Amino acid sequence: DAGVIQSPRHEVTEMGQEVTLRCKPISGHDYLFWYRQTMMRGLELLIYFNNNVPIDDSGMPEDRFSAKMPNASFSTLKIQPSEPRDSAVYFCASSHIRGDEQYFGPGTRLTVT
Amino acid sequence: DQQVKQNSPSLSVQEGRISILNCDYTNSMFDYFLWYKKYPAEGPTFLISISSIKDKNEDGRFTVFLNKSAKHLSLHIVPSQPGDSAVYFCAASAHSGYALNFGKGTSLLVTP
Repeated sequence: DAGVIQSPRHEVTEMGQEVTLRCKPISGHDYLFWYRQTMMRGLELLIYFNNNVPIDDSGMPEDRFSAKMPNASFSTLKIQPSEPRDSAVYFCASSHIRGDEQYFGPGTRLTVT
Repeated sequence: DQQVKQNSPSLSVQEGRISILNCDYTNSMFDYFLWYKKYPAEGPTFLISISSIKDKNEDGRFTVFLNKSAKHLSLHIVPSQPGDSAVYFCAASAHSGYALNFGKGTSLLVTP
């Protein structure tokens, strides 16, 4: 099992540019989560999906952030336009059963200059 | 508003001794608690969990204790090993929802 796969691992972009982060969950997992980690706020849940449907997006900071899950094996988190304060590590995680432990990907380190 | 708090940013312990990591929470609706371990440049990995119907759960060298009245949980590692050096996150969720609320983490250093 390859685990949760995220790409790219590192992204450096200029303010105002569009950024797309990608995630492939573990096969068979029904839940997919996007988190953001910063020094100030720690690990925050941005949004999660169940069976490809967004369930709770209350953690998405602004309209500049959007997430999609077009199928069970792929999800994207898009930031448009990006700002320096979006610099953080973004994690994707998946789980099989609600309440079960979540499996995290290695994260994408985003730097917006 | 941080509902899960890990008040010690760092902890240093000698190899072979006990490591105790603490976590406090404010939301009385939380009924499921987890500990994750994170190495640099990797995602968090699940370590151990406990449901609110229990006050202790043990898995090898790792034991989690839950004190519901104090809204406090702790992770004990005995004996500590250098490979345990990592950041440990406490997380909690409520029955009515699923969002995992994480603490900011405690960096554990186990010295030989």
